Amino acid sequence: EAGVAQSPRYKIIEKRQSVAFWCNPISGHATLYWYQQILGQGPKLLIQFQNNGVVDDSQLPKDRFSAERLKGVDSTLKIQPAKLEDSAVYLCASSLAGRGEQFFGPGTRLTVL
Amino acid sequence: QKEVEQDPGPLSVPEGAIVSLNCTYSNSAFQYFMWYRQYSRKGPELLMYTYSSGNKEDGRFTAQVDKSSKYISLFIRDSQPSDSATYLCAMSSSRGSQGNLIFGKGTKLSVKP
Repeated sequence: EAGVAQSPRYKIIEKRQSVAFWCNPISGHATLYWYQQILGQGPKLLIQFQNNGVVDDSQLPKDRFSAERLKGVDSTLKIQPAKLEDSAVYLCASSLAGRGEQFFGPGTRLTVL
Repeated sequence: QKEVEQDPGPLSVPEGAIVSLNCTYSNSAFQYFMWYRQYSRKGPELLMYTYSSGNKEDGRFTAQVDKSSKYISLFIRDSQPSDSATYLCAMSSSRGSQGNLIFGKGTKLSVKP
């Protein structure tokens, strides 16, 4: 079974630029999550989708971050404009609807200069 | 007080040692408890998943939950160099698509041959 796919794996941008990350969850997983993991910290949930609807985006900085999952499968997370403090690993995870076990992708490491 | 506290280590042990990793939490609503292992530059992978109090064993790994003390542990028996990674505890108050995982900071473990 293929795991959660993410791209790109690494991205370096300058502050005030925009960036987008892509995630393809495990086939059949209705629930998709985006997490931010700052160096030395545990992952923090940014947004959770159930199919193509948002379940929880309470910790998403909506003035600069946006995410979509238009067809209920893959998802994109965008940051516009980026700040220095956005430097982190952005992890995508997915799970079967109704089950709590989440499976994580390899992450995208973002460096904002 | 943070919701989930985890000693970041680092923790260094000789091969074959028994390793004890711990987390404490403050939210009595947490019912689902997980341990993830994260290798360098990889996404977290689920090791153990337990509900409520009690023990769960899987090979060399044992997870313990003491809800009365708000304390969870992961024991690794006969530790191997391949166990060298960061171990993250995570917990949630609800199962399924509404579950919002709260992670600890992670404990970095090094097992020396």
